[in-house]
Amino acid sequence: DIVMTQTPFSLSVTPGQPASISCKSSQSLLHTDDKTYLSWYLHKPGQPPQVLIYEVSNRFSGVPDRFSGSGSGTDFTLKISRVEAEDVGVYYCMQSLQPPLTFGGGTKVEIK
Amino acid sequence: EVQLLQSGGGLVQPGGSLRLSCADSGFTFSRYAMTWVRQVPGKGLEWVSAISGSGGGTFYADSVKGRFTISRDNSKNTLYLQMNSLRAEDTAVYYCAKDGVGTIKFAYWGQGTLVTVSS
Repeated sequence: DIVMTQTPFSLSVTPGQPASISCKSSQSLLHTDDKTYLSWYLHKPGQPPQVLIYEVSNRFSGVPDRFSGSGSGTDFTLKISRVEAEDVGVYYCMQSLQPPLTFGGGTKVEIK
Repeated sequence: EVQLLQSGGGLVQPGGSLRLSCADSGFTFSRYAMTWVRQVPGKGLEWVSAISGSGGGTFYADSVKGRFTISRDNSKNTLYLQMNSLRAEDTAVYYCAKDGVGTIKFAYWGQGTLVTVSS
């Protein structure tokens, strides 16, 4: 199974400041079709999770452009350029290269 | 707008069975793979099982293989998860999720349903 490791475990951010979350996979997520199967999700309290980013850097419909994803191979990053109060929750990276699909352990983002 | 409405959770004794359902209000149900994801209280997200759009392909996490069965009825736009031989460690909020176009995984989610396995 592919192991996904996220850091940090938690973040406390002042509104308007940037935030960054790292995600590392135990093997490359690059498929033979030249796509990299790494997604990011946000799980807000009391709501189901929602997809933010797919294929490393593509924002899902309706996701604000303050969210951006980058990386390749085994190292990936989610950045929030200016954190807003509505961004609180737990962020997960996930690989969908091969079953079983696996999530990172999550990064809890709080507002200072 | 895609809406996934879940039902079927609740309290069950260890060794018991439960069936979860997830009804899709849209018109494209059969085109997309569907997945069950769970979250044990206080823990992270765990992929449980997935099924292809046609229903011909199914996949399971090792932790549920042989005990859970995923299925779908495309004529009813509904996804199912039959859970047998339930254990305390299966206690979790279960979410159904629908893939999006292309490679987008879990573009749409159900509201979640709590399954509690306890005597």
